[in-house]
Amino acid sequence: GQQLNQSPQSMFIQEGEDVSMNCTSSSIFNTWLWYKQDPGEGPVLLIALYKAGELTSNGRLTAQFGITRKDSFLNISASIPSDVGIYFCAGQPPVRDDKIIFGKGTRLHILP
Amino acid sequence: DAMVIQNPRYQVTQFGKPVTLSCSQTLNHNVMYWYQQKSSQAPKLLFHYYDKDFNNEADTPDNFQSRRPNTSFCFLDIRSPGLGDAAMYLCATSRAGFNTGELFFGEGSRLTVL
Repeated sequence: GQQLNQSPQSMFIQEGEDVSMNCTSSSIFNTWLWYKQDPGEGPVLLIALYKAGELTSNGRLTAQFGITRKDSFLNISASIPSDVGIYFCAGQPPVRDDKIIFGKGTRLHILP
Repeated sequence: DAMVIQNPRYQVTQFGKPVTLSCSQTLNHNVMYWYQQKSSQAPKLLFHYYDKDFNNEADTPDNFQSRRPNTSFCFLDIRSPGLGDAAMYLCATSRAGFNTGELFFGEGSRLTVL
């Protein structure tokens, strides 16, 4: 089945630094999504991308839908302590059976 | 206000003792999902309902069952929990056919099996 390769698996950064993570696949997707999960909570949708090449921002977050439809990245600028958590990419395959596929997540740690 | 509400947030059960987790939504979404998430892993889809149509994932054990009595409510029944079923269980909703992939998750129910 289709898989998403998300990297890095974890990141340790200083507060104020910018962050970049990405997701790749050997298959194409119609939609790319980025979710954030705080400890002990459910994931929350951060950004959804619907068109190849689309670049979308949400505050300090910027994400892009790769032109080949096989990848996406998420950038966080000027990280703050509340950015700590697990970031999951997810993709909606071309066959619309209402199931999305999740990456394995990037765990973000922020050092004081 | 919470739009997808899961109860209980924490459930402790004994090995083999049945458990029911509940999920309610105020979004009037026609698709509801149950995911299992183990520590440091991605959510794993167990099954979903498209309106009243039940869709089971091929690798979901028979030990897991679900009911959706109406649009707003969905239940996850674990008939005989084993130690390997200890996990966070996440309910999610979406509007099928519109921005599919945008899931609204509840806060989760964490199951401990003793």
